[in-house]
Amino acid sequence: GAGVSQSPSNKVTEKGKDVELRCDPISGHTALYWYRQSLGQGLEFLIYFQGNSAPDKSGLPSDRFSAERTGGSVSTLTIQRTQQEDSAVYLCASSSQLASETQYFGPGTRLLVL
Amino acid sequence: GENVEQHPSTLSVQEGDSAVIKCTYSDSASNYFPWYKQELGKGPQLIIDIRSNVGEKKDQRIAVTLNKTAKHFSLHITETQPEDSAVYFCAASTWNTGNQFYFGTGTSLTVIP
Repeated sequence: GAGVSQSPSNKVTEKGKDVELRCDPISGHTALYWYRQSLGQGLEFLIYFQGNSAPDKSGLPSDRFSAERTGGSVSTLTIQRTQQEDSAVYLCASSSQLASETQYFGPGTRLLVL
Repeated sequence: GENVEQHPSTLSVQEGDSAVIKCTYSDSASNYFPWYKQELGKGPQLIIDIRSNVGEKKDQRIAVTLNKTAKHFSLHITETQPEDSAVYFCAASTWNTGNQFYFGTGTSLTVIP
């Protein structure tokens, strides 16, 4: 079946511009995570959505970062006034209620801020 | 919060040899430890996991061991093949009491044919 998809696959933007990254989780998965992966680094937790509960935003690095999940499915991560240090791969993962600890990752969006 | 350290950062082995990657964690409440494999240009993929009530788990050529007392866990790959070349990440989580996963910084494994 279809896995987690993310778009765009690559994004180049200028410093100060806003960007939106999209994640389509596996159909029926109730949990959705966003992570940031900087070059040579591990995955940094950003935000977690579970069903209709309030999201866990504790990993967002600044108020320039926000995310929403509409209708319990698609999620959008927005970075406002991008900075060069925002350049990274942004990964999305989803998991089901039955096997909630198993995360399925998308291919990521590679963001480059010039 | 939890701190996960992973070693080595790079590892080269000859095809057919074994590879071992080690991780340590700091939070004794962590109870779930997955390992992910990430190939170039792709997202991480779960390859094996272990829970804190188990000391060892094996799946064909891959095994994971957990030492709760010492707070470390290891990935063992035997009879390595070129297709095992990838970046491997460990992670720790206090699953069911928290939702966050804490990842190591990754090990780039190269299997030399």
